[in-house]
Amino acid sequence: EVQLLESGGTLVQPGGSLTLSCAASRFTFSAYAMTWVRQAPAKGLEWVSTIGDDGSLTHYADSVKGRFTISRDNSKNMVYLHIKSLRGDDTAVYYCAKPMGVAGLNWFESWGKGTLVTVSS
Amino acid sequence: AVQMTQSPSSLSASVGDRVTITCRTSQDIRNHLGWYQEKPGKAPQLLIYDASGLQSGVPVRFSGSGSGTNFTLTISSLQPEDFATYYCLQDYTYPRFTFGPGTKVEIK
Repeated sequence: EVQLLESGGTLVQPGGSLTLSCAASRFTFSAYAMTWVRQAPAKGLEWVSTIGDDGSLTHYADSVKGRFTISRDNSKNMVYLHIKSLRGDDTAVYYCAKPMGVAGLNWFESWGKGTLVTVSS
Repeated sequence: AVQMTQSPSSLSASVGDRVTITCRTSQDIRNHLGWYQEKPGKAPQLLIYDASGLQSGVPVRFSGSGSGTNFTLTISSLQPEDFATYYCLQDYTYPRFTFGPGTKVEIK
């Protein structure tokens, strides 16, 4: 069974930065694009960023472009999300997600349990 | 950007009811729509992909239909474990995605 384990969420002051990590296992990590999705308290789901299987292509939601950086290390089966200039509306649970295994089926089939980022002074 | 709406935003229903949730998009996305179920404290679960494909392991009481700009998720006979929030998701603009705002299904 696919495992995704996020970490790095914490309480951060506005304007601060942090890096979230997602450790992947039990699948061929280097064959899949990986995505971060977030959910603010009492709000809906929001796609944040996707990185291609080899890390050469990255994509961001307009709401985070310029402040968030997604990266991956295929030798370690890890995907990261570096966040800077944190704002209150970045407070959310951040999920790491893996797509279905069939080419062209991009739906997020596997999710981690999420890591909570709280931005507050 | 593709805009998503869902209706209703919430509904109350009883066990055994047939429930229908609608998702509409601002442009034609063909069949590039999925549905997710989310329960408090748990990660979302994929129910339907490509508008009508039933994800492995998902009960057959869940079904999806539609194409273009209008889509529906139907639960044929609501069960106690189905009380949750449901989201549609488009991947027509892959690798950029958009979630709908969600529909909360509550117990009547």
